[in-house]
Amino acid sequence: QKEVEQNSGPLSVPEGAIASLNCTYSDRGSQSFFWYRQYSGKSPELIMFIYSNGDKEDGRFTAQLNKASQYVSLLIRDSQPSDSATYLCAVLDSNYQLIWGAGTKLIIKP
Amino acid sequence: DAGVIQSPRHEVTEMGQEVTLRCKPISGHDYLFWYRQTMMRGLELLIYFNNNVPIDDSGMPEDRFSAKMPNASFSTLKIQPSEPRDSAVYFCASSFQGTATNEKLFFGSGTQLSVL
Repeated sequence: QKEVEQNSGPLSVPEGAIASLNCTYSDRGSQSFFWYRQYSGKSPELIMFIYSNGDKEDGRFTAQLNKASQYVSLLIRDSQPSDSATYLCAVLDSNYQLIWGAGTKLIIKP
Repeated sequence: DAGVIQSPRHEVTEMGQEVTLRCKPISGHDYLFWYRQTMMRGLELLIYFNNNVPIDDSGMPEDRFSAKMPNASFSTLKIQPSEPRDSAVYFCASSFQGTATNEKLFFGSGTQLSVL
């Protein structure tokens, strides 16, 4: 059973600090990695994707991928209350199936 | 583009009744997915279509669930008969294949289903 693991949280971070969200996956042949944000009562929204080892930056968001250690992380700099949401990690595995983590609830405290 | 459109937004029904959920994917997208989300089980893939053809329905929980995609702009998910344990948020999502499958899903607003 291929798995994607996330800490369910909640992760509480003060406003202006860096929020760090982590995700590990079991299928070493996984190819693509996605972070979705889901506000309470809303649908998931893609915010970042990464395919290669290393960092990928987009505004205040940075995705980090380490295939050797089988983890992917999302950093949010200068956290804002509007970043409070559940963050879902999704991994495209070696069979081209999208495997979802259970999500980490992030709370940014003003 | 209006995005993925789902209807109804909310559905309350009694056990044993038939429920039909509807979805209009983003124009030009060739993949359509039906997901179910609950607190206990998270996001679960029920079925997905490629070019209107069902590819994988292994996530459909029982024969009570069925899905169709008669054309590129419309899909339905039907539950007959419905049961209280079917209560969940049902999402439809679409994507464009590009160079790989299952890339970059765009979700509809979801249907909150409550079966009493």
